[in-house]
Amino acid sequence: GQNIDQPTEMTATEGAIVQINCTYQTSGFNGLFWYQQHAGEAPTFLSYNVLDGLEEKGRFSSFLSRSKGYSYLLLKELQMKDSASYLCAVRDGNYQLIWGAGTKLIIKP
Amino acid sequence: ETGVTQTPRHLVMGMTNKKSLKCEQHLGHNAMYWYKQSAKKPLELMFVYSLEERVENNSVPSRFSPECPNSSHLFLHLHTLQPEDSALYLCASSQDLGGGTDTQYFGPGTRLTVL
Repeated sequence: GQNIDQPTEMTATEGAIVQINCTYQTSGFNGLFWYQQHAGEAPTFLSYNVLDGLEEKGRFSSFLSRSKGYSYLLLKELQMKDSASYLCAVRDGNYQLIWGAGTKLIIKP
Repeated sequence: ETGVTQTPRHLVMGMTNKKSLKCEQHLGHNAMYWYKQSAKKPLELMFVYSLEERVENNSVPSRFSPECPNSSHLFLHLHTLQPEDSALYLCASSQDLGGGTDTQYFGPGTRLTVL
């Protein structure tokens, strides 16, 4: 079967750096997405990786290793507003999006 | 604001009621989706429409009935639901069906409670 694993919950301190990991086993691979979802709000697109390596967008970076079936989202200079759930999703060989259950990130002052 | 709106934002209904959820996208996209989001579970894809044609129905019970009258609007008609159907129902749209970097844009969801 197809599976996406990510930690259920993480806690970090304002101003620090946090890395949220995502591992996947899918039938084929056509890209990996990260979304942010604040409580009670829509998931919003953060990043897309299809080739190995690091993609940087301001305070957020996303890394992909296709051979290891592994990605991480790196958040730098954490702010209180970064408290949210972070969803990892993989587009499989049939171009279906397979979703992880999300990682709830709690930022403490 | 993602360009996808959903109404109502909250809905409480009894098991014998009939209600409808509405989604509208203002992005000029060709594909629209209904998802169910339950606590601590992955998003479950329910239905996919492309250019108003249903292209996917993921073994969803018949008490959920989708309707796509045009490429900007999507409805989910609900009848005789069960308490386990209580969840957040998310609508999303994308330019086309999953090619390349095609990204899905989500609405804020309808929080449904079935009593």
